[in-house]
Amino acid sequence: DAGVTQSPTHLIKTRGQHVTLRCSPISGHKSVSWYQQVLGQGPQFIFQYYEKEERGRGNFPDRFSARQFPNYSSELNVNALLLGDSALYLCASSLGPQETQYFGPGTRLLVL
Amino acid sequence: TQLLEQSPQFLSIQEGENLTVYCNSSSVFSSLQWYRQEPGEGPVLLVTVVTGGEVKKLKRLTFQFGDARKDSSLHITAAQPGDTGLYLCAGASSDYKLSFGAGTTVTVRA
Repeated sequence: DAGVTQSPTHLIKTRGQHVTLRCSPISGHKSVSWYQQVLGQGPQFIFQYYEKEERGRGNFPDRFSARQFPNYSSELNVNALLLGDSALYLCASSLGPQETQYFGPGTRLLVL
Repeated sequence: TQLLEQSPQFLSIQEGENLTVYCNSSSVFSSLQWYRQEPGEGPVLLVTVVTGGEVKKLKRLTFQFGDARKDSSLHITAAQPGDTGLYLCAGASSDYKLSFGAGTTVTVRA
């Protein structure tokens, strides 16, 4: 069975640009969560979506937004990129918002 | 800032030795999870502990959840090079948002 997939795997952007990251959950999973992992730290929670609705938001600025589609895939958008946005962005899917989360391989974003 | 404190930050041992990684918090969690992450990959779930005082064993790995559900430990017996990786603990709140520790980097030398 396919696990969580994310695209692209790597991305290089410059300050001020915007970026869209994509996530496809495990088949049958209806909840998707996004995390940011800066080098040397553990993942930090950004958003959780369930049945296309936002169920939780972490302590991130409004430059970060996300949405979930009818097929339960999800996009994370970041506007006006800053150097500090350079990180590994992880997507995790689960059957429901209170179920075990399974992580994808992540998208590594570098902002120059 | 991390809600969960992990120690030590780095651990380097010889193959065959034992190791313990600790995860502590001032918050109570409904459950606590341990993950292992290898470079360039996402975290892979090792175990979920739910009940205070719970002990789970998976082959050479033993996980313990504190009685007050605020702390946990991971013990590896007879470590092997394949155990090398970043070990992360994550606490789940009542709404199941995960709060991660900064991780412990374990290196097992052959």
